[in-house]
Amino acid sequence: QVHLVESGGGVVQPGGSLTLSCAASGFTVSKYGMHWVRQAPGKGLEWVAFLRYDGTSTYYAESVKGRFTISRDNSKNTLFLQMNSLRPEDTAMYFCAKDQWLEIDYWGQGTLVTVSS
Amino acid sequence: DVVMTQSPLSLPVTLGQPASISCSSSQSLEHRDGNTYLIWFQQRAGQSPRRLIYKVSNWDSGVPDRFIGSGSGTNFTLKISRVEAEDIGVYYCMQGTHWPYTFGQGTKLEIK
Repeated sequence: QVHLVESGGGVVQPGGSLTLSCAASGFTVSKYGMHWVRQAPGKGLEWVAFLRYDGTSTYYAESVKGRFTISRDNSKNTLFLQMNSLRPEDTAMYFCAKDQWLEIDYWGQGTLVTVSS
Repeated sequence: DVVMTQSPLSLPVTLGQPASISCSSSQSLEHRDGNTYLIWFQQRAGQSPRRLIYKVSNWDSGVPDRFIGSGSGTNFTLKISRVEAEDIGVYYCMQGTHWPYTFGQGTKLEIK
């Protein structure tokens, strides 16, 4: 059974950094593309980043390009999101999600990131 | 980016009655491989999204058959034949045909 567990969220000051983790079970992250999607409080879903299944390519929303980095550790079956130069508008629940060829099928429960002074 | 537009954004319903949510895309969602990558998610309060329907009209495991997805090209619909209390939440459409994936704004289904 697929299970995704995010961690690493918290309160950080503007300009600060944070690294989110997503521990996967029930499947192997190195065989599937993986996404980060965020949801600002009371708002809709916004796609943030994608790591291709073979690890050869990464893609980012314009709003985070150059500041966020998606990566994975195959030995730990874990996905990461390194977030630098954080802004108040990055405040959101961050979800990791499993890709199934042009579709998202499973989501984690999310981890909350708050950017505030 | 492909813009996904849902309507209505708020849908008051009576339990036991049908409900319908529309989703339109700014470009056709038919992929060159012949599939149409349009998904419907349900998000209950305080929970992460759950996929209900994939490739326009296919049910995920455990999804009641009162949820019916349909459509083609740029216009899609999620219908609930008889709304139950557990259906309350926000519904999102999402397309994966064109990069990047994009979501609709969400439709809040609430009890009238």
